[in-house]
Amino acid sequence: DAGITQSPRHKVTETGTPVTLRCHQTENHRYMYWYRQDPGHGLRLIHYSYGVKDTDKGEVSDGYSVSRSKTEDFLLTLESATSSQTSVYFCAISARLAAVSTDTQYFGPGTRLTVL
Amino acid sequence: AQTVTQSQPEMSVQEAETVTLSCTYDTSESDYYLFWYKQPPSRQMILVIRQEAYKQQNATENRFSVNFQKAAKSFSLKISDSQLGDAAMYFCAYRSPFGNEKLTFGTGTRLTIIP
Repeated sequence: DAGITQSPRHKVTETGTPVTLRCHQTENHRYMYWYRQDPGHGLRLIHYSYGVKDTDKGEVSDGYSVSRSKTEDFLLTLESATSSQTSVYFCAISARLAAVSTDTQYFGPGTRLTVL
Repeated sequence: AQTVTQSQPEMSVQEAETVTLSCTYDTSESDYYLFWYKQPPSRQMILVIRQEAYKQQNATENRFSVNFQKAAKSFSLKISDSQLGDAAMYFCAYRSPFGNEKLTFGTGTRLTIIP
């Protein structure tokens, strides 16, 4: 168990409204990620963080911003939500757990966002 | 940029039988990591198995094993003695050893188990 939670788990909002999704981890892992999952695309990286206040863009970052003011929290913000941002959003951390020799990504439970 | 291809959108298998899910990837790197993740209806992404490219031995985790063909850039997942709980979407993923450790995913294969 990598101790990752996401909130909210479900959200319905209207076009043009701001939305913030929260990812929380309990183990002080350095790397955190936000992905979106859409049919026919698998998971695609939106933004990632490699430390407090250190973030960078992924392949589908347009329309999204992130912040990481504490090691344990990584926020994803949609400044003005659009229908194309209806998706399932996953947070992940990179960790080396137990006796595993390779850093591996572990995922939160996901947030289903619907933009009407 | 690396790409990952899963050419089988859907597969089905009889309970207790064996099934193989295909994955190919494209990369110019010589060292990297490959993963299979399972996503059941609960939506949770669950790590199934991982493979380091520098290891010639294929990874195995209980009923799950991989056939890693580095020259062919192929990374298939074999599920033996299929169980009803194996029904899920399966995603293949690639990770470079450098930089931000991000994953590049395939589009997934939906596996149905026939009782």
